[in-house]
Amino acid sequence: GAVVSQHPSWVICKSGTSVKIECRSLDFQATTMFWYRQFPKQSLMLMATSNEGSKATYEQGVEKDKFLINHASLTLSTLTVTSAHPEDSSFYICSARDPSGGAYNEQFFGPGTRLTVL
Amino acid sequence: GESVGLHLPTLSVQEGDNSIINCAYSNSASDYFIWYKQESGKGPQFIIDIRSNMDKRQGQRVTVLLNKTVKHLSLQIAATQPGDSAVYFCAESTGGGNKLTFGTGTQLKVEL
Repeated sequence: GAVVSQHPSWVICKSGTSVKIECRSLDFQATTMFWYRQFPKQSLMLMATSNEGSKATYEQGVEKDKFLINHASLTLSTLTVTSAHPEDSSFYICSARDPSGGAYNEQFFGPGTRLTVL
Repeated sequence: GESVGLHLPTLSVQEGDNSIINCAYSNSASDYFIWYKQESGKGPQFIIDIRSNMDKRQGQRVTVLLNKTVKHLSLQIAATQPGDSAVYFCAESTGGGNKLTFGTGTQLKVEL
């Protein structure tokens, strides 16, 4: 099956610094990738939809200047959390669609990145 | 619909019993539904999906039932095993496998 990887798997940073998280589709080309955020004991909340070669579409309430998304190739999307603060600490998960599967095809999820901001 | 909450509902079952996990969705326009399994510290893992033109779909040890009238989705796991212990989420989408809206989630605990 399709595999999506994320790097790093966990990161600890100081408040005010920026952190970049990578999401890669390993064996398929993903024109669309999605970024989710998950707090402990809660569900996944979609942050943004990342389309290769175009600007990301952000969900309501998500600051695009704080969460920078770049989908520069068909296998890589990055999420940069700028000027991170402790409230940004969360589990960030990406997913990717394999367009060859047609419209009704599953999203393949990465393993997630645990961000802790001190 | 939107998923909020400070704790997850928990379902405890004995090993070997059947499990039924329920989900209510809010968007009557949703036409694609997926069940995911998430183990602690990992990303969601696809279990089974169903389109709105169906009311039942079976996989290996799992069955998904869809009741569009009351906007209800259920996941049945036969002969539940310790390895099934995880959080289970339903997700809905409109127009195919695009933007997903996740449900609240249910913690499944399998007791030996």
